[in-house]
Amino acid sequence: DGGITQSPKYLFRKEGQNVTLSCEQNLNHDAMYWYRQDPGQGLRLIYYSQIVNDFQKGDIAEGYSVSREKKESFPLTVTSAQKNPTAFYLCASSIMTSTNSPLHFGNGTRLTVT
Amino acid sequence: RKEVEQDPGPFNVPEGATVAFNCTYSNSASQSFFWYRQDCRKEPKLLMSVYSSGNEDGRFTAQLNRASQYISLLIRDSKLSDSATYLCVVRETGFQKLVFGTGTRLLVSP
Repeated sequence: DGGITQSPKYLFRKEGQNVTLSCEQNLNHDAMYWYRQDPGQGLRLIYYSQIVNDFQKGDIAEGYSVSREKKESFPLTVTSAQKNPTAFYLCASSIMTSTNSPLHFGNGTRLTVT
Repeated sequence: RKEVEQDPGPFNVPEGATVAFNCTYSNSASQSFFWYRQDCRKEPKLLMSVYSSGNEDGRFTAQLNRASQYISLLIRDSKLSDSATYLCVVRETGFQKLVFGTGTRLLVSP
């Protein structure tokens, strides 16, 4: 079955450590996205990529970095510069051919930094 | 003013009831609209896209009012399994710019 896989589901880190969240899709989608969700807030866009080897900052990119070396993969690194990293992180993908194409989400990674 | 606004609820309804949610958006140039469902501590899942002429999928009906800049979701004959948070999503100008509402929580009771 096609889909988006995020791993791990839960991640615990000490403050000051960088951590990388994995996102893999086999939907053959060109566009991939990273969102962050905090309680009581809507999803906020961190980074997005429309093509391999290219990505753009979203609304809250500070303290995060990404790479897009393969179409299928879009890992997110949460660096020690991110002031409030504890959150629910969601990876998504979509096709590029229509503005009506919805996002398809992975099952998320819940990151806790203490 | 928030880009996309939803009543957070919760909406408490009995099984079998009809319930409606509204969502307002601020950017008149917004291009496409979606309703997603999110269960507690899970990822959002697409419920339905919203088309200009309105559309229906079983018990769910979505409407778009561009003049007043809102979309609506109507759920008929509510089921216990409909209990979830419903997210309104708007795609603004530019392919990547999707804006999410904070969601409306629905609780359906026996």
